[in-house]
Amino acid sequence: DAGVIQSPRHEVTEMGQEVTLRCKPISGHDYLFWYRQTMMRGLELLIYFNNNVPIDDSGMPEDRFSAKMPNASFSTLKIQPSEPRDSAVYFCASRRTGSQETQYFGPGTRLLVL
Amino acid sequence: AQSVTQLDSHVSVSEGTPVLLRCNYSSSYSPSLFWYVQHPNKGLQLLLKYTSAATLVKGINGFEAEFKKSETSFHLTKPSAHMSDAAEYFCVVTRDDKIIFGKGTRLHILP
Repeated sequence: DAGVIQSPRHEVTEMGQEVTLRCKPISGHDYLFWYRQTMMRGLELLIYFNNNVPIDDSGMPEDRFSAKMPNASFSTLKIQPSEPRDSAVYFCASRRTGSQETQYFGPGTRLLVL
Repeated sequence: AQSVTQLDSHVSVSEGTPVLLRCNYSSSYSPSLFWYVQHPNKGLQLLLKYTSAATLVKGINGFEAEFKKSETSFHLTKPSAHMSDAAEYFCVVTRDDKIIFGKGTRLHILP
């Protein structure tokens, strides 16, 4: 099993540019989560999907952030325009239905906005 | 409402001595509880999980945790620390769709 796949692993961009982060969940998992991790705020849940439908996006910081899941095997997190305070590690995770199910994390995308 | 509290933001132990990372939870119903580990510049990896089958749960790398309902605790322990255990550890509680992460405990291993 390939696990959760994220791309790119590293991204350096300039303020004002659009950034797109990608995630491929584990096959058969119907929940997908996007997290952001920083030294200041720790690990924050941004949004999660169930069966490709966004269920809770209350963690999305502002309108500059958007997430989509066009199909069961792909999701994107977009920041437009990006700002230096968006610099963080962004994790994608997936799991099957059931609160006892393990959530599997991807390796993360380390984003630096200059 | 659910919550999880990791009582220590940093813990330092000497190599070869026991490890104790504390976690208390609050949940209206029987929760599912997890411990994850994050090594530097890596993603989060599952250490172990409690799902009401047994109160003492054994995980990877010699770690275990005991669910104590009377104390609402799920502390993580290991008899003998190894240098490779230096990492950040997260206690997590879930119920239905809700998932709550603790703020993490950074474990330092002294030579």
